[in-house]
Amino acid sequence: GAGVSQSPSNKVTEKGKDVELRCDPISGHTALYWYRQSLGQGLEFLIYFQGNSAPDKSGLPSDRFSAERTGGSVSTLTIQRTQQEDSAVYLCASSLMGLATLSYEQYFGPGTRLTVT
Amino acid sequence: RKEVEQDPGPFNVPEGATVAFNCTYSNSASQSFFWYRQDCRKEPKLLMSVYSSGNEDGRFTAQLNRASQYISLLIRDSKLSDSATYLCVVKAAGNKLTFGGGTRVLVKP
Repeated sequence: GAGVSQSPSNKVTEKGKDVELRCDPISGHTALYWYRQSLGQGLEFLIYFQGNSAPDKSGLPSDRFSAERTGGSVSTLTIQRTQQEDSAVYLCASSLMGLATLSYEQYFGPGTRLTVT
Repeated sequence: RKEVEQDPGPFNVPEGATVAFNCTYSNSASQSFFWYRQDCRKEPKLLMSVYSSGNEDGRFTAQLNRASQYISLLIRDSKLSDSATYLCVVKAAGNKLTFGGGTRVLVKP
């Protein structure tokens, strides 16, 4: 079946521009996560959506970062006034959450490689 | 102190050998533990969950030591295809997963 998809796969932008990154989770998955991974580094949690609950924004590095999830499905991560330190791979993951499952397996998309020049 | 810490490696392993590495976590209330595998320039994928009693999946064995707050991964009979970065993942209360920085394993002929 279809996995998590992300677009664009690569994005090059000039410093100071805004960018939007898109994530399409696996159908039926109620949880959606955004992470950032800099070259050679581990995953940095950014934000988490679970159903209709308020998102956990505790990982967003600054108020230039925001995300929304419309209709409990597609999510968009927006970075305003991009800086060079925002350059990284932005990974989206989704998981099937619920009382019936003890699995928190996250399925990752291929990521968006963002380069700020 | 980081919530989840791993030796970054690389662990250089001869093909056919056994390699093991640990991951320590700081939150004693952590509930669930996982090992993910990430190939170069690819997304992470779940390798295995880690159960309290320890568990094995083929050549891979995972252990949990709650008293000392670490989990381990052991790979037997290493294959060239085992070369990857292994990410330790911990879930505390709530649904957020915390990833370690990864341990890089290089299996050489």
